[in-house]
Amino acid sequence: DQQVKQNSPSLSVQEGRISILNCDYTNSMFDYFLWYKKYPAEGPTFLISISSIKDKNEDGRFTVFLNKSAKHLSLHIVPSQPGDSAVYFCAASVLPPQGGSEKLVFGKGTKLTVNP
Amino acid sequence: DAGVTQSPTHLIKTRGQQVTLRCSPKSGHDTVSWYQQALGQGPQFIFQYYEEEERQRGNFPDRFSGHQFPNYSSELNVNALLLGDSALYLCASSLGVFAAVGNTIYFGEGSWLTVV
Repeated sequence: DQQVKQNSPSLSVQEGRISILNCDYTNSMFDYFLWYKKYPAEGPTFLISISSIKDKNEDGRFTVFLNKSAKHLSLHIVPSQPGDSAVYFCAASVLPPQGGSEKLVFGKGTKLTVNP
Repeated sequence: DAGVTQSPTHLIKTRGQQVTLRCSPKSGHDTVSWYQQALGQGPQFIFQYYEEEERQRGNFPDRFSGHQFPNYSSELNVNALLLGDSALYLCASSLGVFAAVGNTIYFGEGSWLTVV
């Protein structure tokens, strides 16, 4: 079962406008959420994250909003730039049972295209 | 400081064969996780190694196995390859339990495996 869902496979926006990428999750035990950006032929790179005890986190042009009651989060990019064109993955972290680090549960990704 | 390095970058195998993929974590990291990203899907957690032991495992058959060496590098082995094993295999390195919280999970560029 897909515990983290990104229902929009693609999104196209004009340069300078806002990009909004959405993500839904089903597991109430997730306590930390992350957004990763992936260019072709590269590994995912961390973009921004949010704890489940917060409802907003902002970093420059990027803001993530969390609605815990709706189990929904969104990434806002303002203003969008052509260099933002990439696949964006929403992920939730799960604490390890013993030792090591959290594992990440990813959505399927949304391909963002920002047109000049 | 080299980041996460993976080898080989691309390889083609025949059904039924075995494959070994390699990962060197970022300097100072002690935990290695492996993910499989099939075409059009998000990365899926395979397993994680910490202190040379498999600590967590995702929903993958026993054909998928791994190893971590004393220098923290890791191998992913897949036996009896199936066509469905064709995917990008990502290695992620991290340090500590709250690596996600600390935004210190780093991915390599991946190894593209094609099974024919």
